[in-house]
Amino acid sequence: GENVEQHPSTLSVQEGDSAVIKCTYSDSASNYFPWYKQELGKGPQLIIDIRSNVGEKKDQRIAVTLNKTAKHFSLHITETQPEDSAVYFCAFKTSYDKVIFGPGTSLSVIP
Amino acid sequence: DGGITQSPKYLFRKEGQNVTLSCEQNLNHDAMYWYRQDPGQGLRLIYYSQIVNDFQKGDIAEGYSVSREKKESFPLTVTSAQKNPTAFYLCASRDPGASYEQYFGPGTRLTVT
Repeated sequence: GENVEQHPSTLSVQEGDSAVIKCTYSDSASNYFPWYKQELGKGPQLIIDIRSNVGEKKDQRIAVTLNKTAKHFSLHITETQPEDSAVYFCAFKTSYDKVIFGPGTSLSVIP
Repeated sequence: DGGITQSPKYLFRKEGQNVTLSCEQNLNHDAMYWYRQDPGQGLRLIYYSQIVNDFQKGDIAEGYSVSREKKESFPLTVTSAQKNPTAFYLCASRDPGASYEQYFGPGTRLTVT
């Protein structure tokens, strides 16, 4: 069935270090890959997304890379700050417009 | 301020009772969604609606019901048939004509004992 694997499930980094979260998806026809950040007690919020016609997208300290051949995409956060601590969800859009979310990665940035 | 509101933030019910969770949006979005979030399982789609007076089952619709009588409102009823209703429930909306981005509400944590 349609699913997305996300690793790691938890991640702790020192402030200023980089964090990388990796996802593998099942639908080779997918063309849209968003990343959502969920802070404690709040709903998820879109932080960056990428479409299948590009391999990388950057927005300040965050970047996403996509390898369509391998069906992998990754979130990279550089110069991490305590406010980056949250749960991050990768997702992909299926060929019939449904969004499938990964299980989430709990990121802790240690000051 | 435009956005999605869910109320209440915390809800407690006794087993065997139906309960309705509220979701309202003033973003003028056509599409609305209900997700259930359990620890370590991400977001699972319960129901979604692409337009007023129409809705479809998601992956885990059993034991839930919805209505979409108004564009801005998409209430979710958790019925007594739902075997494990205790969870965090998230509502979202989207403008299909603009982007794929879903805008989420703050969620309702339902505890059934």
